[in-house]
Amino acid sequence: SQQGEEDPQALSIQEGENATMNCSYKTSINNLQWYRQNSGRGLVHLILIRSNEREKHSGRLRVTLDTSKKSSSLLITASRAADTASYFCATDSGTPLVFGKGTRLSVIA
Amino acid sequence: DAGITQSPRHKVTETGTPVTLRCHQTENHRYMYWYRQDPGHGLRLIHYSYGVKDTDKGEVSDGYSVSRSKTEDFLLTLESATSSQTSVYFCAISLAGGTGELFFGEGSRLTVL
Repeated sequence: SQQGEEDPQALSIQEGENATMNCSYKTSINNLQWYRQNSGRGLVHLILIRSNEREKHSGRLRVTLDTSKKSSSLLITASRAADTASYFCATDSGTPLVFGKGTRLSVIA
Repeated sequence: DAGITQSPRHKVTETGTPVTLRCHQTENHRYMYWYRQDPGHGLRLIHYSYGVKDTDKGEVSDGYSVSRSKTEDFLLTLESATSSQTSVYFCAISLAGGTGELFFGEGSRLTVL
């Protein structure tokens, strides 16, 4: 069964806008990871946030984690057409990573 | 890019035939995984391996078997393919097991007619 659930399922924004995706999960975690998948390609790791961290940055990416609410968010600032992809959260609870169903982001130039 | 090669990349087969997908890595990572990706379901774990000859089942292991006789190769076998096994199959590797990031192959698209 899916541990993480992303919201929204699909998101369409204009280039230059910020994109926010959310992930909710059910059980306690060691860390939470975000991955990106371009159409027809494999997933690529973006960022990992540990359970004792609240926020992490990597370039235009900002990830937050609220363990009390069992939720995480991924913010992509100043989006570009090249950011068009599906984004997945994955939770580590001491077993192999469990992935959510993903958010499909479309950035319109 | 992590050295992960999946083969074949595309395969069309008929119901009831056996199919083997191969994942080959050049990274010497201990952990290897097979996931399947289907619309509306995201990625689901089929089987994984934590060393040579050490494997375990994932969420959707029924109808699949795996083997790992060498560190670099992880084989996924469908003994008798069914239409419900039409999917895109992804191999992934990691150095640190469940606590580390996964590196994914490019996927194998399997169609069972």
